[in-house]
Amino acid sequence: GEDVEQSLFLSVREGDSSVINCTYTDSSSTYLYWYKQEPGAGLQLLTYIFSNMDMKQDQRLTVLLNKKDKHLSLRIADTQTGDSAIYFCAESSAGTYKYIFGTGTRLKVLA
Amino acid sequence: DTGVSQDPRHKITKRGQNVTFRCDPISEHNRLYWYRQTLGQGPEFLTYFQNEAQLEKSRLLSDRFSAERPKGSFSTLEIQRTEQGDSAMYLCASSLGPQETQYFGPGTRLLVL
Repeated sequence: GEDVEQSLFLSVREGDSSVINCTYTDSSSTYLYWYKQEPGAGLQLLTYIFSNMDMKQDQRLTVLLNKKDKHLSLRIADTQTGDSAIYFCAESSAGTYKYIFGTGTRLKVLA
Repeated sequence: DTGVSQDPRHKITKRGQNVTFRCDPISEHNRLYWYRQTLGQGPEFLTYFQNEAQLEKSRLLSDRFSAERPKGSFSTLEIQRTEQGDSAMYLCASSLGPQETQYFGPGTRLLVL
């Protein structure tokens, strides 16, 4: 069945790069997404990548997609304390386009 | 603000009571989704609408749950005879069309005592 997995925690120092990883199972997913959630808040769309792309860069964010291994990563350059949050990857299920989310990676940025 | 809005933001209720949540999608978005998020987990799909038609319901959506989108604009999610296990954040999202990006509202946090 469909499943999306992420590591639970990541801690980095301010100014370093953060890399958050995700694996998914549905090879027919057309889009893959990264959302950010701050405490008590809804989900904020960060970026997305179409499944026929390998990489997408958007300011401090770089998304890498390895379709063969069904592996997705989000790199945040020059990580700031304001980047501390939970990051979810999600795949778009073919047909209904509902999203299947991972359990989220809690990023803690140390000053 | 033209984002997705949800009301109320917080709801505390006693077990056995009925609750209703409202979602107003982004204008002209014809797809509307409901998700549920429990503590420490990612959001899980509940149901979605294409205009006023409810096209899929997750098996998570028991008979106590009902959702409507009567005019293809706002949607309501009702939970009857609430149970403590219903305590969660209920998230609504909308998209312009089937393959378009979903934009999420701030969520309604439900606590059942």
